Amino acid sequence: DSGVTQTPKHLITATGQRVTLRCSPRSGDLSVYWYQQSLDQGLQFLIQYYNGEERAKGNILERFSAQQFPDLHSELNLSSLELGDSALYFCASSALYVVDIPDTQYFGPGTRLTVL
Amino acid sequence: AQTVTQSQPEMSVQEAETVTLSCTYDTSENNYYLFWYKQPPSRQMILVIRQEAYKQQNATENRFSVNFQKAAKSFSLKISDSQLGDTAMYFCAFMTTGWGGETSGSRLTFGEGTQLTVNP
Repeated sequence: DSGVTQTPKHLITATGQRVTLRCSPRSGDLSVYWYQQSLDQGLQFLIQYYNGEERAKGNILERFSAQQFPDLHSELNLSSLELGDSALYFCASSALYVVDIPDTQYFGPGTRLTVL
Repeated sequence: AQTVTQSQPEMSVQEAETVTLSCTYDTSENNYYLFWYKQPPSRQMILVIRQEAYKQQNATENRFSVNFQKAAKSFSLKISDSQLGDTAMYFCAFMTTGWGGETSGSRLTFGEGTQLTVNP
C-alpha cells in the first residue's frame, strides 16, 4: 500500500458526460500528479500541483481540469467525455521538493474510466 | 524533449534465473533521476529502484540492481533469482529536477514497458 488513495476504483459513464476523480496524497506529501494510462498512448503525464498551485502541465486536454485543495487532496475533472478518454487514471504524490534529493513519486491504485 | 525507449516488449525467464531489462533515454539535461516501476496484474504502479544521475555507483535493492551508463544513456534493470511474483510489466522512467519551462516540475516520462513473465 503506497498510502495514496483514489476514488472511485471504477467508473462507467456515457459520451458527453462529466466525471470527477479524487485523490488523497500520502500524509505530508505536498505534490500531486495525474497520469493517464491508455492502450494506444501508454503512460502520460497530465498535470502536477504543488501545495495548491499548478506546477506543470503535460498532455492534458482542454476538456480536462484539476485542482488541489487546502487539505492537499486533488480532483481531476473530465468533461464532454469521448470514447478515447477510456483509460486508467493514476494519481501520484511526492514529498516537499528539495534540490538534489529524488522526488520519488508514489502511485495510487488508479481509477479505471470506461466511456460507453 | 526527453524520450525513454524500452526495446523489449516481452521477455520471459525461468524461476530462480537472472534476467536483464533494457532501457535507453535521450536528454540534454545533466541532472536527472531514473526509475524502474513494476505494474503487476493488479495494475498498481510499484517503485522498484531509483538512480540519481550524479551518482556513479549503481543502485541496488535486494534482488534488483541497475547498470547505469550515463555516457551511453542506458539504464538496464537486472533481476536476480527471479520469482513468480516478479511477473509484471516493467516501466523505465525519467525525471528531471528543474523548475520552469518544458522541464518544470517533477514529471515522469515513461517508456513503453516490458512485459516480464517468470515461468515455474
